[in-house]
Amino acid sequence: DAGVIQSPRHEVTEMGQEVTLRCKPISGHNSLFWYRQTMMRGLELLIYFNNNVPIDDSGMPEDRFSAKMPNASFSTLKIQPSEPRDSAVYFCASARTGDTEAFFGQGTRLTVV
Amino acid sequence: DAKTTQPPSMDCAEGRAANLPCNHSTISGNEYVYWYRQIHSQGPQYIIHGLKNNETNEMASLIITEDRKSSTLILPHATLRDTAVYYCIPPEGVNFGNEKLTFGTGTRLTIIP
Repeated sequence: DAGVIQSPRHEVTEMGQEVTLRCKPISGHNSLFWYRQTMMRGLELLIYFNNNVPIDDSGMPEDRFSAKMPNASFSTLKIQPSEPRDSAVYFCASARTGDTEAFFGQGTRLTVV
Repeated sequence: DAKTTQPPSMDCAEGRAANLPCNHSTISGNEYVYWYRQIHSQGPQYIIHGLKNNETNEMASLIITEDRKSSTLILPHATLRDTAVYYCIPPEGVNFGNEKLTFGTGTRLTIIP
């Protein structure tokens, strides 16, 4: 397996634009997590899904952020409209229920100018 | 949920054992301790976990005190590639699919040539 695949790896966008980050979890994994990492706040859990259902989205900063998981092999994190303070590295991770290890993607570095 | 405390940074000479402490004095009887690390510009990587017995795998050893209020991650022969931020995870993420995997601030370990 190629691991958790995130795209794009880098994204530069202008304030006010819509941004969509994508994640393909490891095949067979039924939990998926979205994280945001900044120097100031470290690694923050935004939302996680189990069996394609959002279980906890309490970490989503505001209504501008939304996440979907239409099927077991794909998830998106959308920011609309984007703001400079959204600049961060966004990580996706997946795991299998009962396993002890979560696998992280390489992240998407988002810059909003 | 238990909270953890780690030193913000540590240095270790290459080839020596790196010992990274973590305090989790509020841990409860059935909560595991997990360790992850994050090498610069990469996603976090699972290292090891334990409940009350010492654990060893190909990456590291985990020593948990008898009262389970603290633990030490040991990298027996540190190499330059072990330079990373090491996270002792609050045990909210024991059962993937039902709980969260949340990160604290971690210890920045620097291996000195």
